[in-house]
Amino acid sequence: SQKIEQNSEALNIQEGKTATLTCNYTNYSPAYLQWYRQDPGRGPVFLLLIRENEKEKRKERLKVTFDTTLKQSLFHITASQPADSATYLCALEGGYNKLIFGAGTRLAVHP
Amino acid sequence: NAGVTQTPKFQVLKTGQSMTLQCAQDMNHEYMSWYRQDPGMGLRLIHYSVGAGITDQGEVPNGYNVSRSTTEDFPLRLLSAAPSQTSVYFCASSYPEADEQFFGPGTRLTVL
Repeated sequence: SQKIEQNSEALNIQEGKTATLTCNYTNYSPAYLQWYRQDPGRGPVFLLLIRENEKEKRKERLKVTFDTTLKQSLFHITASQPADSATYLCALEGGYNKLIFGAGTRLAVHP
Repeated sequence: NAGVTQTPKFQVLKTGQSMTLQCAQDMNHEYMSWYRQDPGMGLRLIHYSVGAGITDQGEVPNGYNVSRSTTEDFPLRLLSAAPSQTSVYFCASSYPEADEQFFGPGTRLTVL
């Protein structure tokens, strides 16, 4: 079955720096991969989707890459702000709009 | 639009009790899903539905029942609660082949 690995340790960075989060998967390459943001006590909120035939996707300060050879996606937040502090979840397509989620990486941006 | 709503926000049950977690969406989405989220683990799919009258099992369906009589509602029933079902439950909805799933605010369930 598909397994997804995200850094379980929190990522601490200084305000203004670029945060880079990693999502690795083990088996088949999914048709698409999504990134969500989750704040404490709230449901996940969709950020970006990248398809298997796309190398990179951008949205404002966010950038996602998808390397099907390495079986890896990288999620970047440039010019990070304390308001970007949250847990970021990677999710792979599992058919019928089903998603397989990673455990998430907590990001803390310090002033 | 209210989006995806879930009730209750918090619930405490005793082992063996039954209850229904409610989920409703007002976006006319065909797809709806139930996930549970446990510390240190990703969201795990319990049951999902691709339309009214159609449901199927996800990764962790045991101990849960669902039905989908309308497009808007997708209740999750715990038949006989067990401490292992202590978790945060999220409902989500989307269009078919959609770019994103919309999640509700979650229900925090504790089974004693």
